[in-house]
Amino acid sequence: DVKVTQSSRYLVKRTGEKVFLECVQDMDHENMFWYRQDPGLGLRLIYFSYDVKMKEKGDIPEGYSVSREKKERFSLILESASTNQTSMYLCASSPHTGTTEAFFGQGTRLTVV
Amino acid sequence: AQSVTQLGSHVSVSEGALVLLRCNYSSSVPPYLFWYVQYPNQGLQLLLKYTSAATLAKGINGFEAEFKKSETSFHLTKPSAHMSDAAEYFCAVSAYGSGNTGKLIFGQGTTLQVKP
Repeated sequence: DVKVTQSSRYLVKRTGEKVFLECVQDMDHENMFWYRQDPGLGLRLIYFSYDVKMKEKGDIPEGYSVSREKKERFSLILESASTNQTSMYLCASSPHTGTTEAFFGQGTRLTVV
Repeated sequence: AQSVTQLGSHVSVSEGALVLLRCNYSSSVPPYLFWYVQYPNQGLQLLLKYTSAATLAKGINGFEAEFKKSETSFHLTKPSAHMSDAAEYFCAVSAYGSGNTGKLIFGQGTTLQVKP
């Protein structure tokens, strides 16, 4: 069964902390994505990786960075967490063909206090 | 570059009525189009997809979407709404080739309310 696993379902961090959100997929997919989901704003792409060590900025990359050292793992890093980064974070993966959809993890609800 | 616009953040229908959720896309190359559904407190799951094999995409739970290139639209329909269809629906576009590597872009989402 296809699986995208995010390391935490709920996370509470303090302002200024460095935060790591981890995502692992077991489908050998080339593409991996990080989105944040906020009410009324839909899913906004933060970063996208189409291969190991390759990345593209999405629509809202400010305040975030990513790391993809291995094909199966894609990490989102909040360098210095702020309260406006409180959100639901979704990881997804897809293969390098358009005929196959992206598969999503269950999400991490991050609260920055 | 690709983009998606979903018209209407909230749609309310009566049980048994037609469901129509609107999605318009922009893409510089032939697109791949998807509709996802998210039930409360759950992750996203694929409802249906268009990948150029046929202009009418059929999905789960009786949903369909027709790809209309001339209108750059991919509207989601269901002939008769059921209470269990209440959820948030997202339209998404991706593209490959001509420098596109499959970046997946979502619309703002439409919340469907079904009234008894």
